[in-house]
Amino acid sequence: DAGVTQSPTHLIKTRGQQVTLRCSPISGHKSVSWYQQVLGQGPQFIFQYYEKEERGRGNFPDRFSARQFPNYSSELNVNALLLGDSALYLCASSLSRAEAFFGQGTRLTVV
Amino acid sequence: GENVEQHPSTLSVQEGDSAVIKCTYSDSASNYFPWYKQELGKGPQLIIDIRSNVGEKKDQRIAVTLNKTAKHFSLHITETQPEDSAVYFCAASQGTSYGKLTFGQGTILTVHP
Repeated sequence: DAGVTQSPTHLIKTRGQQVTLRCSPISGHKSVSWYQQVLGQGPQFIFQYYEKEERGRGNFPDRFSARQFPNYSSELNVNALLLGDSALYLCASSLSRAEAFFGQGTRLTVV
Repeated sequence: GENVEQHPSTLSVQEGDSAVIKCTYSDSASNYFPWYKQELGKGPQLIIDIRSNVGEKKDQRIAVTLNKTAKHFSLHITETQPEDSAVYFCAASQGTSYGKLTFGQGTILTVHP
């Protein structure tokens, strides 16, 4: 079975630009969460979606938005990129209300 | 909100020794405590987890213990091997939150051959 897949794996953007990151959960998983991991730190929760509805939001500015599609895949959008948005963005999918399985992440560099 | 503290930040052991990583949490409502291993360039990999109705759980060379009264939980790795070298993260969540996790700061484990 395929695990959580994220695309792209790497990308470089300029300050002020917008970016869209994509995630496909494990087959059968209906919950998708997004995390930001800055180098040297633990992942920080951004969003959680279950059955296409937002179920949780972390302490991130409105420049960050997300959505979940009928096939349970998800997109994370970040507008007006700042240098501080440079990080590894992780997607996790869950079947139950606990275990979360992560993808390999998208490394975003803002220059 | 929940706050998770993890110690030590770095841990160096000889192959075959045991390694212990400790975490404390602040929210008494947290009831699910997973541990993740993250290798360079990869996403976190779930290695073991424990729920608040269990005090200890083992899986081959790894074990996790939970003390709900003291609000701390620990990861124990026995007979360490060089391939155990990685960054380890503890996390906590409330089981009703569909997977929202609060992570510790991470422990860099180095196992010397």
